[in-house]
Amino acid sequence: GAGVSQSPSNKVTEKGKDVELRCDPISGHTALYWYRQRLGQGLEFLIYFQGNSAPDKSGLPSDRFSAERTGESVSTLTIQRTQQEDSAVYLCASSSDDRGRKTQYFGPGTRLLVL
Amino acid sequence: AQSVAQPEDQVNVAEGNPLTVKCTYSVSGNPYLFWYVQYPNRGLQFLLKYITGDNLVKGSYGFEAEFNKSQTSFHLKKPSALVSDSALYFCAVRDLHNTDKLIFGTGTRLQVFP
Repeated sequence: GAGVSQSPSNKVTEKGKDVELRCDPISGHTALYWYRQRLGQGLEFLIYFQGNSAPDKSGLPSDRFSAERTGESVSTLTIQRTQQEDSAVYLCASSSDDRGRKTQYFGPGTRLLVL
Repeated sequence: AQSVAQPEDQVNVAEGNPLTVKCTYSVSGNPYLFWYVQYPNRGLQFLLKYITGDNLVKGSYGFEAEFNKSQTSFHLKKPSALVSDSALYFCAVRDLHNTDKLIFGTGTRLQVFP
């Protein structure tokens, strides 16, 4: 079946502009995660959704970052007033429940470059 | 705090030789451990996981990993490396105390030479 999809695959923006990144999870997956991968580094957690609520936003680096999710479907990550340090690959993952046993499946990521 | 460490930034191995990519973890309680692989300009692909049971876990593409509780390790192994195995490998532990997010190591680049 279809995996996690993300759009756009690449985004180049100017410093100070807002960007929206989209994630379509695997159908039926209730849990959705956003991670960020800076060049040459591991992944850092940003935010977790269970359904359309976000019980853990602890990884969002500043109030310029926000995310929402519609039901158990699409999620958007919004970065306002982008800065050069926001340049990274933003990865979305989904899993079928949040009870620790289910595997997170990742999308291909959105590569964001802030000039 | 839960964490994983991947002590090697890069591992080089000749095609046909066995490979090992190391991972150690620090958790309170029983760990849920994962290996993912990332090919260039691609997302992460799930390889295998340890939840409970057999210490030797078999996964995709001929990879396996051995859970060692006394050494707090979860090393990734393959008996015979292929050039196509060259990629970036991440070990991760699930943070069971905090919404099950994954905590990743810094990654190990595996280079398999023909």
